[in-house]
Amino acid sequence: DTAVSQTPKYLVTQMGNDKSIKCEQNLGHDTMYWYKQDSKKFLKIMFSYNNKELIINETVPNRFSPKSPDKAHLNLHINSLELGDSAVYFCASSGTSGRYNEQFFGPGTRLTVL
Amino acid sequence: DAKTTQPTSMDCAEGRAANLPCNHSTISGNEYVYWYRQIHSQGPQYIIHGLKNNETNEMASLIITEDRKSSTLILPHATLRDTAVYYCIVRVSYNTDKLIFGTGTRLQVFP
Repeated sequence: DTAVSQTPKYLVTQMGNDKSIKCEQNLGHDTMYWYKQDSKKFLKIMFSYNNKELIINETVPNRFSPKSPDKAHLNLHINSLELGDSAVYFCASSGTSGRYNEQFFGPGTRLTVL
Repeated sequence: DAKTTQPTSMDCAEGRAANLPCNHSTISGNEYVYWYRQIHSQGPQYIIHGLKNNETNEMASLIITEDRKSSTLILPHATLRDTAVYYCIVRVSYNTDKLIFGTGTRLQVFP
């Protein structure tokens, strides 16, 4: 009974391709996030959705388009992939059901662009 | 940018207490101190948070100085499974607020 799940776990693709990463949470949370961890291990917020509405967009290139079909899902679509997009992408969620407003993270998706 | 500074790395013997310091001299009155950790290749995991009082839970204790400009995370009996990068983060405690991660402290627990 995984709390925050992501698919796929690994993604290897060529430059210029379009790919999607999916995230699902079964915690009943109303806020979901995407974070990017680059090769130097810096973790940085990309997007945040609350009740399917975009509330944080941290100057991410518009090749990245998050989509939240419902509160339990937040998918990340990336167009025209570039070498610099290689990273680990983490999905997270939070909500009033969490005891301390902590964020719960998924296991990550390692994207490699060749 | 992260509003905290932490040592890059620390070592701790298994079974001993690990004390991880964090400086947050510009913390605002409504900001909490949160600690997360990231075990290799996994997503970050919440540990503990506090505002001004010391806090303890099943994982760790958090000691915040009276002026709130620094804090210490204490793992009372470190195990090999506690080897991870530990992040100290200051944030307003509402559930839509993003986490701003710094470089963290890499804690290595050795046998």
